[in-house]
Amino acid sequence: DARVTQTPRHKVTEMGQEVTMRCQPILGHNTVFWYRQTMMQGLELLAYFRNRAPLDDSGMPKDRFSAEMPDATLATLKIQPSEPRDSAVYFCASGGAGTGEQPQHFGDGTRLSIL
Amino acid sequence: QKEVEQDPGPLSVPEGAIVSLNCTYSNSAFQYFMWYRQYSRKGPELLMYTYSSGNKEDGRFTAQVDKSSKYISLFIRDSQPSDSATYLCAMSAGQAGTALIFGKGTTLSVSS
Repeated sequence: DARVTQTPRHKVTEMGQEVTMRCQPILGHNTVFWYRQTMMQGLELLAYFRNRAPLDDSGMPKDRFSAEMPDATLATLKIQPSEPRDSAVYFCASGGAGTGEQPQHFGDGTRLSIL
Repeated sequence: QKEVEQDPGPLSVPEGAIVSLNCTYSNSAFQYFMWYRQYSRKGPELLMYTYSSGNKEDGRFTAQVDKSSKYISLFIRDSQPSDSATYLCAMSAGQAGTALIFGKGTTLSVSS
């Protein structure tokens, strides 16, 4: 079965450190999403790309977060500097052509803890 | 008022029961309605996808959309312990550049 792969699965680091999360979307999928999940807020969209171009990053705190797709097989989400309130599970998802804004397949997430 | 409301539960039922999960929403522009299932420490997986109003059936699962009441439902027949998970509804207006809005999820436990 094709899968979205996220690394690392867990990350614990201290406040102020840079955090980089990586995602390998399903081969051939042209839409990639980054979500954050917390108990309080649920699942929130941070940013998404189509054909590697950013379409919407309005959910992302721009002063510390950045999202990129260096190539079709890799998406990255960076936090610099990290803060304790960034602790959450970060999910990447991808969708094939024609699926619009509906993420079809999610990775298993990066569980981030900022001390 | 949040755009999408979903009762967090938890909902506990015996094996074999019919389960009803529901969401209400406020944005009348929503046209695409989805249900995702999320097991513990896993990513959500797309379960059902419906466009506009009506019913859709897939095995033991039935999704219903009532746009006049701004209400969607997911029914699970003959529930199994393997159905124990968190179920998230999600919806969008569908235009390019519009985000999918998720409910916070309902946690379901099916006991054998």
